[in-house]
Amino acid sequence: DAGITQSPRHKVTETGTPVTLRCHQTENHRYMYWYRQDPGHGLRLIHYSYGVKDTDKGEVSDGYSVSRSKTEDFLLTLESATSSQTSVYFCAIRESGTGDSQPQHFGDGTRLSIL
Amino acid sequence: GNSVTQMEGPVTLSEEAFLTINCTYTATGYPSLFWYVQYPGEGLQLLLKATKADDKGSNKGFEATYRKETTSFHLEKGSVQVSDSAVYFCALSDNGGATNKLIFGTGTLLAVQP
Repeated sequence: DAGITQSPRHKVTETGTPVTLRCHQTENHRYMYWYRQDPGHGLRLIHYSYGVKDTDKGEVSDGYSVSRSKTEDFLLTLESATSSQTSVYFCAIRESGTGDSQPQHFGDGTRLSIL
Repeated sequence: GNSVTQMEGPVTLSEEAFLTINCTYTATGYPSLFWYVQYPGEGLQLLLKATKADDKGSNKGFEATYRKETTSFHLEKGSVQVSDSAVYFCALSDNGGATNKLIFGTGTLLAVQP
């Protein structure tokens, strides 16, 4: 158990409303990631963080922003939700260590529907 | 850029059949390779990994060998069970900028029938 909690687990909202998803970890990992999962695309990286207040864009960052004001929390915000952002969102953390062999561990996901 | 290609699913097998799910990759350098499994309604779980050429990752009866010459990391299991029914994702670690982002294949749904 990597100690990752995502909230909410499910959300239905309307186009144009702001939405914030929360990822909370209990193990002080430096790296955190937000992905979206869509049929036919696997998982695609939205944003990631490499420390408090240190974030960067992934491959599908348009329409999303993130914040990390403390190590344990990484927030994903949709400023004005659109139907194309209906998806399942996963947060991940990466184990500490050098090199690229450390795997990422995932939360249980948030299913977001935008009507 | 780096990419991962997985065989299309769904793959439907009878219990105790042999499983192969193909995965090939395109990458500069020598990334680490991973297989993840996703059971219905859950997040992804790490199944196995390999970090260099000819490494074999294994876990729960599943195996995959890092083949540099064919740029492949095929997942195999000798005898599948109904409980193996899930979506399987192949991924590589994109070490650009040392942030170790994962690049995923599109996933392969495996359905095992009793």
